[in-house]
Amino acid sequence: ELKVEQNPLFLSMQEGKNYTIYCNYSTTSDRLYWYRQDPGKSLESLFVLLSNGAVKQEGRLMASLDTKARLSTLHITAAVHDLSATYFCAALPASGTYKYIFGTGTRLKVLA
Amino acid sequence: GAGVSQSPSNKVTEKGKDVELRCDPISGHTALYWYRQSLGQGLEFLIYFQGNSAPDKSGLPSDRFSAERTGGSVSTLTIQRTQQEDSAVYLCASSSAGGSYNEQFFGPGTRLTVL
Repeated sequence: ELKVEQNPLFLSMQEGKNYTIYCNYSTTSDRLYWYRQDPGKSLESLFVLLSNGAVKQEGRLMASLDTKARLSTLHITAAVHDLSATYFCAALPASGTYKYIFGTGTRLKVLA
Repeated sequence: GAGVSQSPSNKVTEKGKDVELRCDPISGHTALYWYRQSLGQGLEFLIYFQGNSAPDKSGLPSDRFSAERTGGSVSTLTIQRTQQEDSAVYLCASSSAGGSYNEQFFGPGTRLTVL
């Protein structure tokens, strides 16, 4: 059974700093998703990673996937306050089911 | 309006009453999902529908919860005899399962408060 773990659960960082959020999953998966959720809002899709070595970048966020290590990372470069949100990763099992497994989320707070 | 829509946006009910939550997925999406999110928590999978296949109900927390999807489109999540612990945001998502990305698109959610 696929399990997804994110860390850290909470992250408080200063503006201008860099940091990485980690998403580990337990069994084979070749599709990894990152979402952002602002307080009181729904989830917004950020990145879809489909293959080993995939790297996607949007602004100050960069996501990567290493299927051999069963690890995806979301890297934040020179954080700004607007990036404060909760970030979720989700994986799809390689077994053909479309039941997404979500991580617990990382609550990011960027301090001015 | 091409996104996922949900209604109502907010629902306040008394303990013991039944509630129905509605989800309209993106047109053409064959997969539809229901999740529950308690305050400050992650997403709890409830149920998912894929085309004409039997739904995966493995996440439903009790037999008070049920869901149906009519005509492969609109879905209704029903909670019978609501309890205070049912208070949460209920999120619906849809995806075009079978495509390259299988990306989920989420609705705005229904905030349920059980008094």
